[in-house]
Amino acid sequence: RKEVEQDPGPFNVPEGATVAFNCTYSNSASQSFFWYRQDCRKEPKLLMSVYSSGNEDGRFTAQLNRASQYISLLIRDSKLSDSATYLCVVNMLDGGTSYGKLTFGQGTILTVHP
Amino acid sequence: DGGITQSPKYLFRKEGQNVTLSCEQNLNHDAMYWYRQDPGQGLRLIYYSQIVNDFQKGDIAEGYSVSREKKESFPLTVTSAQKNPTAFYLCATQGESNQPQHFGDGTRLSIL
Repeated sequence: RKEVEQDPGPFNVPEGATVAFNCTYSNSASQSFFWYRQDCRKEPKLLMSVYSSGNEDGRFTAQLNRASQYISLLIRDSKLSDSATYLCVVNMLDGGTSYGKLTFGQGTILTVHP
Repeated sequence: DGGITQSPKYLFRKEGQNVTLSCEQNLNHDAMYWYRQDPGQGLRLIYYSQIVNDFQKGDIAEGYSVSREKKESFPLTVTSAQKNPTAFYLCATQGESNQPQHFGDGTRLSIL
């Protein structure tokens, strides 16, 4: 089983749609969680951190379920500019480093069309 | 990210040649990382450093080397031992544990 697994995608949705991505992680001791977006041929950029209570940033809502070991990202009222690859990232405890180890999912491609 | 500078943006390597990718940061972050991304694939960790003069191998260190002589700089050398170097190379920094990493805008390496 992969350490971090995401919906395979791709997702093709019309503008204005609501779309949700899920991500599961294998290490129950994982400490922190993030969603990044990556545009074609660009570097990943932090979209939002994910907190236990869930958090919202405009049209984006992130949820964390520690019991089931999954993270979700909900995008409401999709825009053309939301088209990108969305990466789920988990920081796992690692005895060799005080920073933990960030593990990236493979990413889910989202295409928003007119 | 404005605080992390990678150069060059594009790099071509000849057979048997070593090439060095630069990563400089002005964020005063202790931790720095090098990742490799192949087309349609996720990020794989090559090397990381959490303090000056110390670095650790990641998941795919073979054929690569690094140094960390200054806090601001973490150059990556792709040696001739790396037989398949064509990829997108990303440098990242991290300020504190449990904080996200932030990326430079990457270097694309190709074989001539």
